[in-house]
Amino acid sequence: GAGVSQTPSNKVTEKGKYVELRCDPISGHTALYWYRQSLGQGPEFLIYFQGTGAADDSGLPNDRFFAVRPEGSVSTLKIQRTERGDSAVYLCASSPSGGTGGYTFGSGTRLTVV
Amino acid sequence: AQSVSQHNHHVILSEAASLELGCNYSYGGTVNLFWYVQYPGQHLQLLLKYFSGDPLVKGIKGFEAEFIKSKFSFNLRKPSVQWSDTAEYFCASTGGSGNTGKLIFGQGTTLQVKP
Repeated sequence: GAGVSQTPSNKVTEKGKYVELRCDPISGHTALYWYRQSLGQGPEFLIYFQGTGAADDSGLPNDRFFAVRPEGSVSTLKIQRTERGDSAVYLCASSPSGGTGGYTFGSGTRLTVV
Repeated sequence: AQSVSQHNHHVILSEAASLELGCNYSYGGTVNLFWYVQYPGQHLQLLLKYFSGDPLVKGIKGFEAEFIKSKFSFNLRKPSVQWSDTAEYFCASTGGSGNTGKLIFGQGTTLQVKP
């Protein structure tokens, strides 16, 4: 597609439930990033994929968070046992190769844990 | 750890006023610097970026930024703002050892332009 697509755009879930957030990057972009933006804050880095592998997952807050990119294109961010503090906008960005900018951001998924 | 700080959290200006938003970064090595804008209900869009060369960078919509290495600063400027510039502005950097291209963002500055 022409841009980075994220689905769903909004997700409301109950505390303790499992959620999956999807990112469809620009075709051919090998680098994919996930960020989390809490209210009133700038986006915080979560994880970076180069191709199929997670090259840097230092931003994942704890082991409830996991992300995959099995075929080097679509990525899924998975959150287990959601907590109210996980409520945020989750952003995905892709770039042709990573490391030198050229990022395109998606519109994000707004996750609300009630 | 690498960090980016934005000094102004909320700025209110009248149309035609001049704008300067402050941004400081912490890393002393080679950095790439960015300004992003987020209009209400829209995704982050790149305003301008600095990698190397001329420290005065011109971006879209009349914005510019100046990289001052000695001050670790990358302030955003616009001579005359318009109502349509109302948005949230984020300064960001990449760099450091083993640069993976991950962006470190500042907290953001909300700009409100009054018509």
